[in-house]
Amino acid sequence: SYALTQPPSVSVAPGETARITCGGFNIGSDLVQWYQQKPGQAPVLVIHSDKDRPSGTPERISGSKSGNTATLSISRVEAGDEADYYCQVWDSSSDRRVFGPGTRVTVL
Amino acid sequence: EGQLVESGGGLVQPGGSLRLSCAASGFTFRRHAMYWIRQGPGKGLEWVSGITWNGVVMGYADSVKGRFTISRDNAKDSVYLQMNSLRPEDTASYYCVKDLLTITVANVFDVWGRGTVVTVSS
Repeated sequence: SYALTQPPSVSVAPGETARITCGGFNIGSDLVQWYQQKPGQAPVLVIHSDKDRPSGTPERISGSKSGNTATLSISRVEAGDEADYYCQVWDSSSDRRVFGPGTRVTVL
Repeated sequence: EGQLVESGGGLVQPGGSLRLSCAASGFTFRRHAMYWIRQGPGKGLEWVSGITWNGVVMGYADSVKGRFTISRDNAKDSVYLQMNSLRPEDTASYYCVKDLLTITVANVFDVWGRGTVVTVSS
């Protein structure tokens, strides 16, 4: 079955850049979304279609993809960026909606 | 952008049933596919079910197929999840979620409710 992999945690100092990867055997053929979930809150869509920002997502947050790995980058990290981040794809060939296991970003 | 408000969660015994409701506002509900996504305590996100804008096509995760039924009422701007034969592993926060696109099913989840908690325990 289609599975996505993410590092369990990423730690970054304020002002630096956090990079979160999302791997999957067929991710190059599927569009990737990223969601941010702060403690006690519902997830929020921050990137869709690999790299597009919904209104409300700051330009510091960007998405990219190369081969079978998608990356969410958060530049000039702030304390408010501490959250769990999930990648997600829709595998249209099997009609499966798959989430990655999530990455906890900690600001040092 | 819109708002979604879930209701209907609670404590239920294994084998029991619950019906979740989701009231939508602030967007043209009838033009968007809708979904239920759940998150077990301390766990990640799991897509549960989805329904097209017109209610014609529904989809379910393997883990709930045959037990859960999604439906919608476009006249009431509401979507529902009937959950039968509940199991302890169904314990989770259940989120009502809107698709980003109109008519087309994109499976991009752009508006989320705050969730309703379902606990299955004896």
